[in-house]
Amino acid sequence: NAGVTQTPKFQVLKTGQSMTLQCAQDMNHEYMSWYRQDPGMGLRLIHYSVGAGITDQGEVPNGYNVSRSTTEDFPLRLLSAAPSQTSVYFCASSYSRRNSPLHFGNGTRLTVT
Amino acid sequence: GESVGLHLPTLSVQEGDNSIINCAYSNSASDYFIWYKQESGKGPQFIIDIRSNMDKRQGQRVTVLLNKTVKHLSLQIAATQPGDSAVYFCAENINSGYSTLTFGKGTMLLVSP
Repeated sequence: NAGVTQTPKFQVLKTGQSMTLQCAQDMNHEYMSWYRQDPGMGLRLIHYSVGAGITDQGEVPNGYNVSRSTTEDFPLRLLSAAPSQTSVYFCASSYSRRNSPLHFGNGTRLTVT
Repeated sequence: GESVGLHLPTLSVQEGDNSIINCAYSNSASDYFIWYKQESGKGPQFIIDIRSNMDKRQGQRVTVLLNKTVKHLSLQIAATQPGDSAVYFCAENINSGYSTLTFGKGTMLLVSP
């Protein structure tokens, strides 16, 4: 199993551009989520999904959209990139939403200039 | 990546020593806890978890201790190796309807040969 795969690994955007960060998992996990990681701060939840067709907001959802059309894929869209969105983004999945460890991808490092 | 380690508390040990990394969690309603290891440029990697009905759990070279009275979690690594050098952080799952994992900021472990 590949686990959780994120693409791209690195991305540079200009302010106002849009893009989609891809995430796929091959573990048949129902729960998937997106986090951002900034220096000096813990991982912060952006959006999550408890199954195909179901998404919800996390702690820092503004400026991001998600969809979950299949169990495997959970893309994160930046609608109009801002410098404040410069961060490392991690996608994660788990067997269930509760009492189950998250398995993380290796991240996308995004810089917005 | 390496920026994760900025401004984090650091524990420096010699190879072969035992390491103890501590975590104070925030919510007395939390009922599930996880320790993660994050190496530079990679995503967080699951180490060990523990439920609130346990005080101690052991894995390979690692032990997690949970003290619910003072809301404290610790990770003990036996015979620390240079490959253990990384950022370690705990996560707690608050027992509520829309529970998600909340992550600590982490501790950097540096192991000298």
